[in-house]
Amino acid sequence: RKEVEQDPGPFNVPEGATVAFNCTYSNSASQSFFWYRQDCRKEPKLLMSVYSSGNEDGRFTAQLNRASQYISLLIRDSKLSDSATYLCVVCLMDSNYQLIWGAGTKLIIKP
Amino acid sequence: EPEVTQTPSHQVTQMGQEVILRCVPISNHLYFYWYRQILGQKVEFLVSFYNNEISEKSEIFDDQFSVERPDGSNFTLKIRSTKLEDSAMYFCASTKEQGNEAFFGQGTRLTVV
Repeated sequence: RKEVEQDPGPFNVPEGATVAFNCTYSNSASQSFFWYRQDCRKEPKLLMSVYSSGNEDGRFTAQLNRASQYISLLIRDSKLSDSATYLCVVCLMDSNYQLIWGAGTKLIIKP
Repeated sequence: EPEVTQTPSHQVTQMGQEVILRCVPISNHLYFYWYRQILGQKVEFLVSFYNNEISEKSEIFDDQFSVERPDGSNFTLKIRSTKLEDSAMYFCASTKEQGNEAFFGQGTRLTVV
């Protein structure tokens, strides 16, 4: 089983819609969780950290479910500029805080 | 806003040649990383570096690879004898503390011909 697993997509979503994707992780020693976005041929950029209590930043909401070992990202009122690959990242405390990356979920927002 | 900077942005090299990729991490960060991403594939961890030594490395980071921080600001990745399969984007990242979010440079696209 992969350490961090994401649906690769692509998710084709009309502009203005709400879209959500999950990411599952296998290591219960996972300490910190992040969502990054990556545009084609660019570097990953931090979108948001994911806290146990969940967190919201504008149109973006991230949730963590430790019992089921998954994190989620919800995007409301999607914009064309949200088109990107969304990468789930898990930090392993028992592996010297190594960051483990999901393969990413590709999101395409259509006008 | 402080950022991680990488040079060069694109490097073309012949197979068997040595390359050095350079990174300047964010100045008050203590932990440094190299990742690579082959076109169309996932981000892969290469190595982490703290207190002037390697703290963790992946299977990819074999004897052909080395890192150093020669002058307290630059953080370099050296590939001793490049192979075709080393062609990828190489990203440098830094964090202030362990477990914190990592900030990435814009990457160096390495093309081995």
